[in-house]
Formats: sequence, C-alpha cells, structure tokens
Amino acid sequence: GAVVSQHPSWVICKSGTSVKIECRSLDFQATTMFWYRQFPKQSLMLMATSNEGSKATYEQGVEKDKFLINHASLTLSTLTVTSAHPEDSSFYICSARSGPEANSPLHFGNGTRLTVT
Amino acid sequence: DAKTTQPNSMESNEEEPVHLPCNHSTISGTDYIHWYRQLPSQGPEYVIHGLTSNVNNRMASLAIAEDRKSSTLILHRATLRDAAVYYCILRDRKKSSGDKLTFGTGTRLAVRP
Repeated sequence: GAVVSQHPSWVICKSGTSVKIECRSLDFQATTMFWYRQFPKQSLMLMATSNEGSKATYEQGVEKDKFLINHASLTLSTLTVTSAHPEDSSFYICSARSGPEANSPLHFGNGTRLTVT
Repeated sequence: DAKTTQPNSMESNEEEPVHLPCNHSTISGTDYIHWYRQLPSQGPEYVIHGLTSNVNNRMASLAIAEDRKSSTLILHRATLRDAAVYYCILRDRKKSSGDKLTFGTGTRLAVRP
C-alpha cells in the first residue's frame, strides 16, 4: 500500500536554531502534500499545503517565514522550522493523497516530534 | 465546511464489537464520510470511507444513516491494538480543497483486556 515516510522521527534542538523535516511519498508521486501540527492532547491542525514546483499556501495564523516549505520533487516535501523556540515544540505530521480520485484516502507519515530546549 | 460531532471517549472489552457514532447533520450532497484513526505517537491512519451505502473492508464497517446525517464505525472484534483516537471527517469530493482534512477532537477508544 501507499506509504508516506517522515524523517527524522524525533529531534531535539536548541532555541534559535533551525530544523528540517522531510516527508517522502515512497511508492507514489504527490504534487500536493500537507503539513499538520499537533500539540499534546490536542487534535491535528493544518499548517500549510505544499505544492510541487510552486509556493506553499499557508493557513491563517501560520508564519510562512518561520515555517519554510520546499516541494522540489514529486516525492519530497520539506518543512524547515527556522529560529525555533520552545513554543514550536510539537508533533509535525505530513500527508499526501496516493490515488487520482477525489475521495482517495490520504496517507500520513508517522510524524516528527520536535523538542526545542 | 460541514462539521462532525463525536463522543469524547468510549470503552470496549477486548474481542467485543464496538460502535463509534458520528453526527454530521449539515452534511452536503457532495461530502464523503471518512474515518481515520491515530494510534499513540503515530500519524493518522485511514480506516474507511463511504458516501451513501454501507461499506465493509478488512479493518471495519461503516454504517451510514439513510438521511446521511449520522454514521457509525463498527469494529467487529476490538483488540488492544485498536485503542486509538478515531476521527470522523467529511471530505467534499467537488472541491480541490477536499484533501485538506479538518480534524475534530475525535473519540478516544479504550479497550479493556
């Protein structure tokens, strides 16, 4: 079945540094990928839509200069958290649709747990 | 976007059936009903989806009310590995934004051994 892989699965960084998270579609091509964030005991919140070959679109309230998204190929999207601060500590999850139909399931990565100290 | 309402939590005994309800009274004619689940410390996992008719797959069954204003996810024999948060989500098949899933609070299912 369709698989979405995220790397790293967890990362600890110091405040002020940047962290890059990769999201790969392993056995399908994805022109669009989605990035979510999930704080403890809360639900997933959509942050942005990553578009292959064009700029990402961000949800209201998400700073595009802080969360840099690059979708340079049909199988890879990256999310870079720039100048990370402790409040950016969260569980980051990406997703992509594997099938051509509008109701094809979305497949999610296993998430990246970011801890900023 | 049409919203869904689910109980915050449910409990089940292992090897017994579980019925997880979802209300979506403002569902539109182009909305599909999707269910995902999230196991602890993992990303969500697709479970099942349907439009009007009941659906079955290897993981679960989906029963959809005739007026489509509610649905029920059925796990026929709960196992400890089914303990997760279950999300009922509406996806509009006519909109290009239909891939942007809106997650509510879901139902946290606990399975007792």
